[in-house]
Amino acid sequence: EPEVTQTPSHQVTQMGQEVILRCVPISNHLYFYWYRQILGQKVEFLVSFYNNEISEKSEIFDDQFSVERPDGSNFTLKIRSTKLEDSAMYFCASSVRDRRTYGYTFGSGTRLTVV
Amino acid sequence: DQQVKQNSPSLSVQEGRISILNCDYTNSMFDYFLWYKKYPAEGPTFLISISSIKDKNEDGRFTVFLNKSAKHLSLHIVPSQPGDSAVYFCAARYSNSGYALNFGKGTSLLVTP
Repeated sequence: EPEVTQTPSHQVTQMGQEVILRCVPISNHLYFYWYRQILGQKVEFLVSFYNNEISEKSEIFDDQFSVERPDGSNFTLKIRSTKLEDSAMYFCASSVRDRRTYGYTFGSGTRLTVV
Repeated sequence: DQQVKQNSPSLSVQEGRISILNCDYTNSMFDYFLWYKKYPAEGPTFLISISSIKDKNEDGRFTVFLNKSAKHLSLHIVPSQPGDSAVYFCAARYSNSGYALNFGKGTSLLVTP
């Protein structure tokens, strides 16, 4: 079964450093998403991306965050200057079309630890 | 702002019995509801969904019930199996809200042999 692949599985970074989280969505999918889950909290929406531009973003997704689809396969989340409170599990997801009424496919996540 | 609430952080059920996971929501504009299952070290996996025009949707051992007047939905798993042990997330969205899903905090289900 096709998968959404995320790398690395765990990233440790120093506060203030830039970090790039990588995702390879399912190949025929057109919509891409990032969510995060801080330990013990709910899964939170960050951003959705379609047709090479951001479709929607949450309040969490401030100027420190950016997304990019640099080639035909990768979808990246960049945090420009990490803060301690950015420590979380980051999930990438994709869907073949606007799956508003269905679930989309999540990756296994990248655990980001900011020290 | 917790629009989707799962008030039971954990639930333990014997194999073969019914598991009932509950979810409440506050936003009356939500019109699609989804359940996700998550194993450790994996991402959430879509399980089942229901539109607000229905009150029940069934898929094999999994049934979701929606009570719009009470703003409550539940996931029934019957019979429960040890492989069902996972964290279950309730999520909701509404048609004009864009792409974001609003998740609950999850309920950890343990099915014991």
